[in-house]
Amino acid sequence: NAGVTQTPKFRVLKTGQSMTLLCAQDMNHEYMYWYRQDPGMGLRLIHYSVGEGTTAKGEVPDGYNVSRLKKQNFLLGLESAAPSQTSVYFCASSFGNSGANVLTFGAGSRLTVL
Amino acid sequence: AQTVTQSQPEMSVQEAETVTLSCTYDTSENNYYLFWYKQPPSRQMILVIRQEAYKQQNATENRFSVNFQKAAKSFSLKISDSQLGDTAMYFCAFMRAGNNRKLIWGLGTSLAVNP
Repeated sequence: NAGVTQTPKFRVLKTGQSMTLLCAQDMNHEYMYWYRQDPGMGLRLIHYSVGEGTTAKGEVPDGYNVSRLKKQNFLLGLESAAPSQTSVYFCASSFGNSGANVLTFGAGSRLTVL
Repeated sequence: AQTVTQSQPEMSVQEAETVTLSCTYDTSENNYYLFWYKQPPSRQMILVIRQEAYKQQNATENRFSVNFQKAAKSFSLKISDSQLGDTAMYFCAFMRAGNNRKLIWGLGTSLAVNP
């Protein structure tokens, strides 16, 4: 049981390049989330999805797009990377919409934009 | 708006001793959940313990226990018999009941367990 898997784990981009982070979960979870973690700022929610085919904006959605074409996958895209998007990105998933269904996190993806 | 405050950016403890990490939160909600997550150097966020606000009994998980003071809006984490593997960042988080996407995080406490 792999849980939540993020690829790639590390990536270096030049300003203006595009890339996609893939999150895959094998727990049949309905909810999936993308967070970014920056020093001194904790975790901030970028986008989330409450089910296949749905997405919604979180706290800091600008500069990112997401897609949830399949229930098990949640993709985070950067169309034109900026140095401000240098961060560690975490994907998480949960079964439902209550505190009883805690988040399961991936191992993170470190992105550097030069 | 809800906020979560962890007032101790860094702490250290000797192996086998007990340490308490502080967390306070601000909310007008009555039904909510509180969490402590651990982030070791490997980066993966792991749930340590969870507390439902409607439960008066403090949650415990092996060496980890909480002191939940609802009126004071305080949610501290006690780690007993500290082990080297407890070295990590610890994050306190708040969530309104029924609204999973509104997970509010503290900025974390870096705990070092010294041999």
